[in-house]
Amino acid sequence: NAGVTQTPKFRVLKTGQSMTLLCAQDMNHEYMYWYRQDPGMGLRLIHYSVGEGTTAKGEVPDGYNVSRLKKQNFLLGLESAAPSQTSVYFCASSIRTDGNQPQHFGDGTRLSIL
Amino acid sequence: AQTVTQSQPEMSVQEAETVTLSCTYDTSESDYYLFWYKQPPSRQMILVIRQEAYKQQNATENRFSVNFQKAAKSFSLKISDSQLGDAAMYFCAYRSAGGTSYGKLTFGQGTILTVHP
Repeated sequence: NAGVTQTPKFRVLKTGQSMTLLCAQDMNHEYMYWYRQDPGMGLRLIHYSVGEGTTAKGEVPDGYNVSRLKKQNFLLGLESAAPSQTSVYFCASSIRTDGNQPQHFGDGTRLSIL
Repeated sequence: AQTVTQSQPEMSVQEAETVTLSCTYDTSESDYYLFWYKQPPSRQMILVIRQEAYKQQNATENRFSVNFQKAAKSFSLKISDSQLGDAAMYFCAYRSAGGTSYGKLTFGQGTILTVHP
């Protein structure tokens, strides 16, 4: 049972470099999310998607772009990395529901920007 | 916008004892869901327990239970018979019940729980 898979698990970038984080889920979930986790601040929503071809901004979207070309994949891009984007990034997914169904999380990507 | 506050950055407990982690939230909504997630050093986010705001009965999952006080906007987690494997960061999270919320979660800052043998 793969669930939610994030690639890569670790990455070090230099300021100004670009990269893409990949999230893949095999549960046929409609909703997908990208969060960042910083000490003392919990997890904050960057962007989310409610279906293939749709994306929306979350709480902290600046400096990030996302795409969801396929239902199972949700990509997070950093066009010009900055030290402030050093963080642990989590992808999550859930079914389309008004109920109490929880989000399922990947194992995170630790990203360091030098 | 909703906010979630965990006022205890760190807590500790002796093995086999009971510990309570605090969480308060601010919302103008009447229908919502609350969650506790556990994050061990492996970094996984593991659902511990969930509570529907429309239910008066407090949720229980084995050694984990909540004290949900809707009027006070409080949602504490009680861990009974603490085990070494309970050591982790614990996050409280809020989710609106409306369809346009799209399942988005608002998290608290987290509480690091240490379990002493």
